[in-house]
Amino acid sequence: GQSLEQPSEVTAVEGAIVQINCTYQTSGFYGLSWYQQHDGGAPTFLSYNALDGLEETGRFSSFLSRSDSYGYLLLQELQMKDSASYFCAVRDPNAGNMLTFGGGTRLMVKP
Amino acid sequence: ETGVTQSPTHLIKTRGQQVTLRCSSQSGHNTVSWYQQALGQGPQFIFQYYREEENGRGNFPPRFSGLQFPNYSSELNVNALELDDSALYLCASSPGARTTENEQFFGPGTRLTVL
Repeated sequence: GQSLEQPSEVTAVEGAIVQINCTYQTSGFYGLSWYQQHDGGAPTFLSYNALDGLEETGRFSSFLSRSDSYGYLLLQELQMKDSASYFCAVRDPNAGNMLTFGGGTRLMVKP
Repeated sequence: ETGVTQSPTHLIKTRGQQVTLRCSSQSGHNTVSWYQQALGQGPQFIFQYYREEENGRGNFPPRFSGLQFPNYSSELNVNALELDDSALYLCASSPGARTTENEQFFGPGTRLTVL
């Protein structure tokens, strides 16, 4: 089966940098995605890594190491509006195209 | 705003009943996926449709079924509702080919409560 592990909760202050880690176990692998979900809202796509390395999109960056089955989401210059849950997700072609999400990391940004 | 809409927003049913949830994808999006999200957990994949055919399914029993229509709308049907079916149900659409799409556009969800 597939499984993804990420910390349940992270707290940081405004303006700081925070890293949310994700380790995964799948039989097949297309890439690692990250989604943001505010309370009561829909998940929104943040980034996708298919190859090893760092992808940067504004204040957010995402990293992947396929050999370590590991990735992380890096959030810089934290703002209060970044308080949300963050999910990593993988699509396993050997599991019926299923997109599997981690349990989510709840980020709380404090002033 | 992703352009994906879902109805109804909230729904209350009793155990044993049947429910139909609806989703309208963005125009041109041929793939739709449905997820169940329990409180405090990540979305769990139910199934995926591509051009009106199911092409992937998660670990959900057959009483969870779906349909996708040519007008980019879709349905999730759940029979014989159980208390554990209480959750947020999300649909997500994506524009292109089925297997490697990773960016999905989620609707706001339907909050189902089973009493």
